[in-house]
Amino acid sequence: DQQVKQNSPSLSVQEGRISILNCDYTNSMFDYFLWYKKYPAEGPTFLISISSIKDKNEDGRFTVFLNKSAKHLSLHIVPSQPGDSAVYFCAASATNTGNQFYFGTGTSLTVIP
Amino acid sequence: DAMVIQNPRYQVTQFGKPVTLSCSQTLNHNVMYWYQQKSSQAPKLLFHYYDKDFNNEADTPDNFQSRRPNTSFCFLDIRSPGLGDAAMYLCATSRDLESYTFGSGTRLTVV
Repeated sequence: DQQVKQNSPSLSVQEGRISILNCDYTNSMFDYFLWYKKYPAEGPTFLISISSIKDKNEDGRFTVFLNKSAKHLSLHIVPSQPGDSAVYFCAASATNTGNQFYFGTGTSLTVIP
Repeated sequence: DAMVIQNPRYQVTQFGKPVTLSCSQTLNHNVMYWYQQKSSQAPKLLFHYYDKDFNNEADTPDNFQSRRPNTSFCFLDIRSPGLGDAAMYLCATSRDLESYTFGSGTRLTVV
């Protein structure tokens, strides 16, 4: 059962525009969320996180929004750059499940120069 | 730089021949994880060590074993690899729930 879902397998965006990547989850106990970026032949790299006590977290060009009532989070990249082209995974965890993170299947972002 | 190192980057093994993948870390994190990732799928947690305590996921096949001789090293042993075990194997570490640090992965091919 996929508890974290990324329904868009791919996304293409023009350089300089906004990229919005979406993630939905089903477990209402999840209270910590992360986004990872993965280049081919490399392991995922941590990008940004948010806890359930917040609804927004910003780090430079990256902003994550959390809508708990909708069980939805999104990653905004503004402005998008060609170097942002990668696969983006969202992941979620619940404090009472220890250290287990549940990953989405990823969205492949292509930023077109 | 502190990091998580996986060796080798690429591993080819024969069907049914035992193979060991290794992971080392210089972060002094107390938790180490092994994930399996197949093409276009999310990384799947196989097991993790919380300090010396081994935690196996319920659906991890018995064919997969792990050892953690000390804080810095963790091994993934596949006793009898099948064609379906071909995948990217990712090692990760954490100290708390803030974030994981991943290694670059080992791409396993079974022939």
